[in-house]
Amino acid sequence: LAKTTQPISMDSYEGQEVNITCSHNNIATNDYITWYQQFPSQGPRFIIQGYKTKVTNEVASLFIPADRKSSTLSLPRVSLSDTAVYYCLVPTNAGNNRKLIWGLGTSLAVNP
Amino acid sequence: DVKVTQSSRYLVKRTGEKVFLECVQDMDHENMFWYRQDPGLGLRLIYFSYDVKMKEKGDIPEGYSVSREKKERFSLILESASTNQTSMYLCASSLSAPPRTGKNSNQPQHFGDGTRLSIL
Repeated sequence: LAKTTQPISMDSYEGQEVNITCSHNNIATNDYITWYQQFPSQGPRFIIQGYKTKVTNEVASLFIPADRKSSTLSLPRVSLSDTAVYYCLVPTNAGNNRKLIWGLGTSLAVNP
Repeated sequence: DVKVTQSSRYLVKRTGEKVFLECVQDMDHENMFWYRQDPGLGLRLIYFSYDVKMKEKGDIPEGYSVSREKKERFSLILESASTNQTSMYLCASSLSAPPRTGKNSNQPQHFGDGTRLSIL
């Protein structure tokens, strides 16, 4: 059974680097791993996606090992406004069909 | 920027009523999705559609139906609302191939701000 696991919550302080890891068994080949950010009373917002190795954009980096059984979202020098819930979304194999599986989210609290 | 608009932010209905939640996207996306979000359960897919008049069941379709008569609009219907359908409902859209097939099918989904539905 395909499953995606990420920590329920994390605490950090302003200016620190935060790494959130999502573990995923039975990941499908040839498809992206995607991360989203969600603030209260809003829908999730796309942050970054990658297929393998490392991807970086203006807000985050994403590290994916060769076996693709996990991925790590890295937020450099977090600020109070990065307090949010972070979700991974992973393509998995479900019988003859591919299925997208959401993690349950990691609630990140950034403290002054 | 892609805009996904859900018709209501808050909605209160009574048990047994037929409820319509509307979603419109303005970027000509093929895929549209309906999720519900509950504390501790994350996002759960109810239905998705990869083309006009096409629909596929997600993980929790029971008690729901959908309609996609036009590419930009995807409606979620609660046939006979029950209290266990009280939840946050999120609509999303994305470009490209159906989620089930093909490389790069996990394209970024663009979400509306949700409808908080209470069934009394």
